[in-house]
Amino acid sequence: DGGITQSPKYLFRKEGQNVTLSCEQNLNHDAMYWYRQDPGQGLRLIYYSQIVNDFQKGDIAEGYSVSREKKESFPLTVTSAQKNPTAFYLCASSAGQLSTDTQYFGPGTRLTVL
Amino acid sequence: AQKITQTQPGMFVQEKEAVTLDCTYDTSDPSYGLFWYKQPSSGEMIFLIYQGSYDQQNATEGRYSLNFQKARKSANLVISASQLGDSAMYFCAMGAAGNKLTFGGGTRVLVKP
Repeated sequence: DGGITQSPKYLFRKEGQNVTLSCEQNLNHDAMYWYRQDPGQGLRLIYYSQIVNDFQKGDIAEGYSVSREKKESFPLTVTSAQKNPTAFYLCASSAGQLSTDTQYFGPGTRLTVL
Repeated sequence: AQKITQTQPGMFVQEKEAVTLDCTYDTSDPSYGLFWYKQPSSGEMIFLIYQGSYDQQNATEGRYSLNFQKARKSANLVISASQLGDSAMYFCAMGAAGNKLTFGGGTRVLVKP
């Protein structure tokens, strides 16, 4: 089955710790994205990558880092510099690199800072 | 800058009836796309329907149709024959310059039996 997988589904972190969220796709899509969703709100773009070994900051990149070493994988690290990391994180991918290309989403990771 | 506005925070609809979800947008780009996504309580975002700015006809996808009024900058979603499984959050989004999607704040739909 083709799709996007995210792990873990739930993640708990102590203050001051870095954590890495996994995102893998087997759709052979070029572009991948990370979004953050806070309760009762829409999605905000953290980082995106249009091609391997290249990525760009989105609207709320501070306190986050990413890598794109393989086409299928786009992990997100939430660093201790992120002041309010408790949120729902969604990964997406699209076949093309245009903003008019449909983005398909993974099931999400819910991060809670204890 | 792109902006998406969904003015209905929540609405009830009777099962088997149609419901219209409002979405207005603002962009200076001549080429853009409008998307609707469904987010059930499980959290995943499910793509429903797409409308390109140059498309002459309104998009349809099964029970979903998009009422695209370019001059008014609106892209309302119509769900016909509502089902209990349609209860969810619905998000309108726009893709324009810069390879980014901008999302609205969402509308919660509750279908009553």
